[in-house]
Amino acid sequence: GAVVSQHPSRVICKSGTSVKIECRSLDFQATTMFWYRQFPKQSLMLMATSNEGSKATYEQGVEKDKFLINHASLTLSTLTVTSAHPEDSSFYICSARDSLAGVRGLYEQYFGPGTRLTVT
Amino acid sequence: GENVEQHPSTLSVQEGDSAVIKCTYSDSASNYFPWYKQELGKGPQLIIDIRSNVGEKKDQRIAVTLNKTAKHFSLHITETQPEDSAVYFCAPKNTGFQKLVFGTGTRLLVSP
Repeated sequence: GAVVSQHPSRVICKSGTSVKIECRSLDFQATTMFWYRQFPKQSLMLMATSNEGSKATYEQGVEKDKFLINHASLTLSTLTVTSAHPEDSSFYICSARDSLAGVRGLYEQYFGPGTRLTVT
Repeated sequence: GENVEQHPSTLSVQEGDSAVIKCTYSDSASNYFPWYKQELGKGPQLIIDIRSNVGEKKDQRIAVTLNKTAKHFSLHITETQPEDSAVYFCAPKNTGFQKLVFGTGTRLLVSP
């Protein structure tokens, strides 16, 4: 159980185009999902916290108009990189927390397999 | 905000040896202490976690120990195997807040 999927697993796009990445919780409902970015040989950096039915909360320094997040259902969050540039090339990872986790006293976040974005 | 450091940044051991990775954090309100394993090209996976009311937890070859006073916790892997080779991250958390702050990461290489 507790599986998170991401689609696509890798994508190559041209500079100036937009790319959408999907994150799905397959066997649980997730009121909250998180989006991370990871550059080669670096740690995961939180970009934003996505809450179902409301606006995402972005970390300092992350452009909300460039990285659009939509969390329209309890099992799906999307990240759209708008007007992508080569410096946006990175590994994007989402995670989700079970909506019932707080009631159960659990704190684990479940991570997706990641999406490698290359902007040419 | 939380400042999280890991040591060492890289660790090379021979198969069968033990490995220890230390995570130091700054937020004294942290009360949940997980360790994640990330294999190349994949997302991180939780391998073990501990709560602040427990000093040590074991799961087969892996264990985590916590020193809340000194604000550090450590991952211990015994009888290492080549498949343990990966990057390991700690992510101490205050459960009153939602987000995790990842440590700097430790690259473990286990040679056959």
